Formats: sequence, structure tokens, C-alpha cells
Amino acid sequence: KAGVTQTPRYLIKTRGQQVTLSCSPISGHRSVSWYQQTPGQGLQFLFEYFSETQRNKGNFPGRFSGRQFSNSRSEMNVSTLELGDSALYLCASRWGPAKGLAQYFGPGTRLTVL
Amino acid sequence: QQQVKQSPQSLIVQKGGISIINCAYENTAFDYFPWYQQFPGKGPALLIAIRPDVSEKKEGRFTISFNKSAKQFSLHIMDSQPGDSATYFCAGETSGSRLTFGEGTQLTVNP
Repeated sequence: KAGVTQTPRYLIKTRGQQVTLSCSPISGHRSVSWYQQTPGQGLQFLFEYFSETQRNKGNFPGRFSGRQFSNSRSEMNVSTLELGDSALYLCASRWGPAKGLAQYFGPGTRLTVL
Repeated sequence: QQQVKQSPQSLIVQKGGISIINCAYENTAFDYFPWYQQFPGKGPALLIAIRPDVSEKKEGRFTISFNKSAKQFSLHIMDSQPGDSATYFCAGETSGSRLTFGEGTQLTVNP
């Protein structure tokens, strides 16, 4: 079974631009979460989607948004990019939203903001 | 607010030795504690996980020890191998599927 895929793998943007990242979960998985990983802040939860609905959101500004489609694929969008948004953005999928179900991470999208 | 504190930040172990990474948590709402392994350029991979009603869980060379009263848990890697060299993260999960991660431990196993 194929793992979580994320596109693109690398992205370079300039301040003020916006960006859209894509995530395809493992087949059959309906819950998708997004995390930001930086050297300074570590791994931080952004949001989780299940059945096209956002179930939980981390402490990030409104510039960070996401959505999930009927096929469980998910996108996240960052508007008005800032230098501090440079990070590895990770998507994780699981079968459902119940606690204790293993989350499987994709390879991430490396975003660099110049 | 950091809710999972992980130590040490880095660890060097000789091949065949035991690697021990410790985590302490504050949020008593955590009820699932996974450990992840991350290699450079890769996403974190689930290694092993434990629930607070269990004091120890072993899978191959990897063991989690859990002390609910002290709000601490640790990962033990027995017979450490150079291929185990990676960054390890502990985490706690609350309702809503949110994982709160520790700061990470960079493990180096020397041959």
C-alpha cells in the first residue's frame, strides 16, 4: 500500500506570496493532519480534517488554512508568506479520528520563504 | 507552552549499547504516547506507542517504560546499531488527534 504522498517536495517563495501544499493520504485513511517542523519550534500541530471538516486547529494565525476533499486528499494554504514560515510541512494520515490510531507521516514539503 | 519535555537533546552510543531517551509530560489529558523516528529528508515514522494503563511495552529491540504517577516515559533501544542513528521524538495525544511532540533527540550510534 502506498504511503502518504506530498507535493511539491520543495518550494521557494518570496514574502507576501501565497502557497498551496497538497497531501494524498494512505488509501482508506480518512483523517489528515498537518504539522509544521522548524529547528526552533520543533513539530507543531496545524490542523486536522476528517470527512471534509476541520476537527481541530493549532495555535497558528489565520493565514494558515486548509481543506479536505471528498476523496480525503487535503490541501493547506498559507497566505501573505513571512520569512518565519520557512519550514518543513508534514502531512499525516490515519484511518479515522479516534484517539490512539497510528498516524503515518509523509516526506513533507520543504518551504523556503525569501 | 511546552507540554512534553524530552532529554537528552543529543546522545552518542557505541554499537551494541543501550540508548535511553526520556520524556516528561504536564498534560494529564494525554492518553496515548507514541515515539517517532525521523531520518534526514524523511517524515517521522511511528516506532512504538503505549497507553497509560500499561507500564511497559516491548517491540523487538525497542521498549517503552511508562510511569503514570511521575508523568514520565522513556524509550530504550537495546543492542543499538548504526542504522538506528536518527532523531527520535516522543509525543502525547489528546482528544482531537492532536500530537504534542517533544523537542527531539539526535541519536548517533558509533560502529
